[in-house]
Amino acid sequence: DADVTQTPRNRITKTGKRIMLECSQTKGHDRMYWYRQDPGLGLQLIYYSFDVKDINKGEISDGYSVSRQAQAKFSLSLESAIPNQTALYFCATSDTGTSSNTGELFFGEGSRLTVL
Amino acid sequence: KNEVEQSPQNLTAQEGEFITINCSYSVGISALHWLQQHPGGGIVSLFMLSSGKKKHGRLIATINIQEKHSSLHITASHPRDSAVYICAAFFGNQFYFGTGTSLTVIP
Repeated sequence: DADVTQTPRNRITKTGKRIMLECSQTKGHDRMYWYRQDPGLGLQLIYYSFDVKDINKGEISDGYSVSRQAQAKFSLSLESAIPNQTALYFCATSDTGTSSNTGELFFGEGSRLTVL
Repeated sequence: KNEVEQSPQNLTAQEGEFITINCSYSVGISALHWLQQHPGGGIVSLFMLSSGKKKHGRLIATINIQEKHSSLHITASHPRDSAVYICAAFFGNQFYFGTGTSLTVIP
């Protein structure tokens, strides 16, 4: 099994629909992130979480929400999808900054979302 | 503003050539990662550096903390090295990413 699993891998939906992207990890990392990738742009941070009770907005959080259901699970929701949310979404985990820092950074395979 | 700048944006090389990709950052960092993204999207971490130099096979990564600069070198490049290479600087409890270097190695 992959260290970081995202579902679904591909999704086509219509404007106004609610979409949830799910992420689960087996690394035991406390830190989880959701990023968006658009052609020609670097990865942009949507939300991040440093533990189950900690949720923080990133640079492009408008139109998105997240839930950290457990240490291993971090889901991203688009409450009412719009076409400019069409992008490749990545979940990532890291242990950077913890007392047992090994500098690991792991990404999921990505979820390609198309909003028509 | 972009705290992390990469160059070049695109790079085409002949198989066997020595390749260098550069990354500059504007703030003090805790660590810098080099990432590889193959067509199809998946991203893997190649290196994490906080100082000096690391080597894995044909890949070498270096970092100069004083100059705020890192390089990724690929020796004896091969078509399977064709991918997008991304540097990611870690500071302020977040990662900041360059826009990537798209490498194509021609047989």
